[in-house]
Amino acid sequence: GDSVTQMEGPVTLSEEAFLTINCTYTATGYPSLFWYVQYPGEGLQLLLKATKADDKGSNKGFEATYRKETTSFHLEKGSVQVSDSAVYFCALEGTGGYQKVTFGTGTKLQVIP
Amino acid sequence: DAGVTQSPTHLIKTRGQQVTLRCSPKSGHDTVSWYQQALGQGPQFIFQYYEEEERQRGNFPDRFSGHQFPNYSSELNVNALLLGDSALYLCASSSGISRSNTEAFFGQGTRLTVV
Repeated sequence: GDSVTQMEGPVTLSEEAFLTINCTYTATGYPSLFWYVQYPGEGLQLLLKATKADDKGSNKGFEATYRKETTSFHLEKGSVQVSDSAVYFCALEGTGGYQKVTFGTGTKLQVIP
Repeated sequence: DAGVTQSPTHLIKTRGQQVTLRCSPKSGHDTVSWYQQALGQGPQFIFQYYEEEERQRGNFPDRFSGHQFPNYSSELNVNALLLGDSALYLCASSSGISRSNTEAFFGQGTRLTVV
């Protein structure tokens, strides 16, 4: 079945540092790929998405590129801020319809001033 | 637009009891999915409802059941609660069942604690 593997956290960075959170997936066909963010005490928010190979999703300075050849969707940001501290989930929506989303285990990011 | 709303926000139940959680989808959405998020884990898909029918189900026992009403709102019922059912239960709504570029919107969740 579908699965998502993302790097374990927590990840602690200083403000303005470069961020990479690795994500790889297993799925048949051509899934859609997502990054969701969960701030403390809140629900999930969609951060960015990509629906086909070589697409780049971007939002709020975050980027991720859909790499079919490496089955990866790594999240990057050039300069993190304290306000980016949250848990980040990589996810995919398979090709079987009905929009079932499979999530990774999440990576906690802590940005210190 | 209120987005996806869930109630209650927090709930404490005793082992063996039954619980009902509620979800109102975002305006214009007709599909509701439920997820269980254990502490420190990613959300796990429970099931999805569309046109008042369960369309897809994850790896959860029959103790977990649901319902969708004509106004697209939904309930999640859990019978014979176990300590391991303690989790954040998330509802997500979306539009239609095709794999178009529709986005699933998540509610804030219901925190269930079983004691």
